[in-house]
Amino acid sequence: QITLKESGPTLVKPTQTLTLTCTFSGFSLSTSGVGVGWIRQPPGKALEWLTLIYWDDDKRYSPSLKSRLTIIKDTSKNQVVLTMTNMDPVDTATYYCAHSNGGNPVFDYWGQGTLVTVSS
Amino acid sequence: DIVMTQSPDSLAVSLGERATINCKSSQSVLYTSNNRNYLAWYQQKPGQPPKLLIYWASTRESGVPDRFSGSGSGTDFTLAISGLQAADVAVYYCQQYLSTPYTFGQGTKLDIK
Repeated sequence: QITLKESGPTLVKPTQTLTLTCTFSGFSLSTSGVGVGWIRQPPGKALEWLTLIYWDDDKRYSPSLKSRLTIIKDTSKNQVVLTMTNMDPVDTATYYCAHSNGGNPVFDYWGQGTLVTVSS
Repeated sequence: DIVMTQSPDSLAVSLGERATINCKSSQSVLYTSNNRNYLAWYQQKPGQPPKLLIYWASTRESGVPDRFSGSGSGTDFTLAISGLQAADVAVYYCQQYLSTPYTFGQGTKLDIK
């Protein structure tokens, strides 16, 4: 049974750095083809893909946010960490981590998401 | 970026009837080397994360009822839901995964008439 759970602050101030952790179980991020991605959704709006890390440490970033994003994995802890710098109120959203397989960024298991509000 | 545009933005369909949602990509998401369309569909109910319904434009995810079907190729795709049930009320998103950024459509809200 695959599960993922996001954790991190619910409130950050503008210009601060956001760090979110995705803790997962039921799969290994060292298995060929497996990936973990981050997707966000502002309140009442559509989904936006942010970044994805694969089993072989290949990393993909949204070009529009690449300068602000970092994704790393800790295979021994079954965790993936997302950092986003220089947070702004427009970054207020529910942040999801999700599992992909087969080397394709199709997300078949999702965490419940964590709402991050950016406000002073 | 490949822009994904869904239509309509919302629709209401009677119970037991068929709902059809369209998704158009600004560039083809058909990879000719393997003849696969890099297009997925998700369902999102209020307060829940998205659920994968279909990938490769027409392959149903395990456990998804066969009332849900995907079709299309290149730039034009359709998600059809037959025998609409109350549990199908949700927002539906298409996503292309051919190239980064892996973009989603704006969503289509499906309600019961």
